[in-house]
Formats: sequence, C-alpha cells, structure tokens
Amino acid sequence: QKEVEQDPGPLSVPEGAIVSLNCTYSNSAFQYFMWYRQYSRKGPELLMYTYSSGNKEDGRFTAQVDKSSKYISLFIRDSQPSDSATYLCAMSGGDTNAGKSTFGDGTTLTVKP
Amino acid sequence: DGGITQSPKYLFRKEGQNVTLSCEQNLNHDAMYWYRQDPGQGLRLIYYSQIVNDFQKGDIAEGYSVSREKKESFPLTVTSAQKNPTAFYLCASSRDRASTQYFGPGTRLLVL
Repeated sequence: QKEVEQDPGPLSVPEGAIVSLNCTYSNSAFQYFMWYRQYSRKGPELLMYTYSSGNKEDGRFTAQVDKSSKYISLFIRDSQPSDSATYLCAMSGGDTNAGKSTFGDGTTLTVKP
Repeated sequence: DGGITQSPKYLFRKEGQNVTLSCEQNLNHDAMYWYRQDPGQGLRLIYYSQIVNDFQKGDIAEGYSVSREKKESFPLTVTSAQKNPTAFYLCASSRDRASTQYFGPGTRLLVL
C-alpha cells in the first residue's frame, strides 16, 4: 500500500463548478501538506502549503487538512478553464522522512467552458 | 530572476550511452532533489542532497548517479545501466530539508 493515495480521476467539470481534490495517507508523522499544480509538459508549481490540521484559503483555493482522519483536500471555487491541469498532493515530516516529500500520483482536472 | 533551470528541455539517448541532465538554482537553497515522472505514476525520488558534497539515494537510484560539488548545481547522470530511462525528469530545491520544494521546468529523456 502506498503511503499517499490520491483520488485518481480524471475529473471533468463545467466552468464555475466547485472542485474537490482529495488525498489520504497512512504515515501519522506527516506534518507538512502541499498541493502542486502541473500543466502539461511543465514542472509542478506550488499552489498551497499547510502545516498540521486546519484550513487555509488563498483566493479561489482552499486547502483542508484533517490529521485525525489522515485526509487532505483542495477545493477550487468558481473553476476556470485555466485551472485545467494535474494536481499533486505532497506531504513531509517525521524523522524517517527527513528531507523528503512523498507525492500522490496526481488527479487530472479538465474544466470545460 | 530567482529560480531553477534545467537543460536541455529534450534529450535523446542511444543504447549504451550515459547522458547528463543539468539542474541549476540561484535561490541559495541548501537542498536539491531529482525525480522521475512516468505517466500515471506521480513523482518518484531518484536522489537528493541536503548540503554540498553530500547526497542520498532515493527510492529508485539504480542506474543513476549524481554529484553536488557546488551549492547551486546538482547534475544527474543516467547511465547505461538504466534500462528504461524514457521519462520526464524533474529537479527541485528547497531552503532546507524541512521546507517546501520548488521545481524546475523538467527534461524529457527519450531513447533512440
């Protein structure tokens, strides 16, 4: 079993929809939780960064972490065609993971005009 | 502009050939990383370095080698021992081992 499992998708939604992207994990030592956005044939870019449990909002994006359930989510409000990309969750923390991040396999999102 | 650069954008390898992928950063980051990305498989860690002149194997180091002689540079060599090298290679850096990683634009390696 992988340490980080990400909803595989692909996901296709109409413009303006609310999108929910999700990851679960098994390592309780993870303390840092990230979401990256990757456009086709490009490097991932950091979208959201959260430490420990709670919510963090940045414009149309909200990252949510529930450490008790080992579950993280990224919500996109009023989705736009420019949001079409692959979204990767990533996590780090704990002595055995020092210096490393563990990534989900990514969810590909298409927002249709 | 601060950032991470990777070159070349595309690289072709012949059978039995070693090739080297370049990664440079001017962010003054201590830690640097190499990942391999295959379709539908996310990112897999090849090697990482937390400080100059030191590096550790990641999850899939076989057939690859690295060096870290300068803080800003972390080249990756794909050796002939790597039998399935076709992939998208991503370099990343972070301020220190506890910080978030920032990625370069990637190099796509193809086998002729």
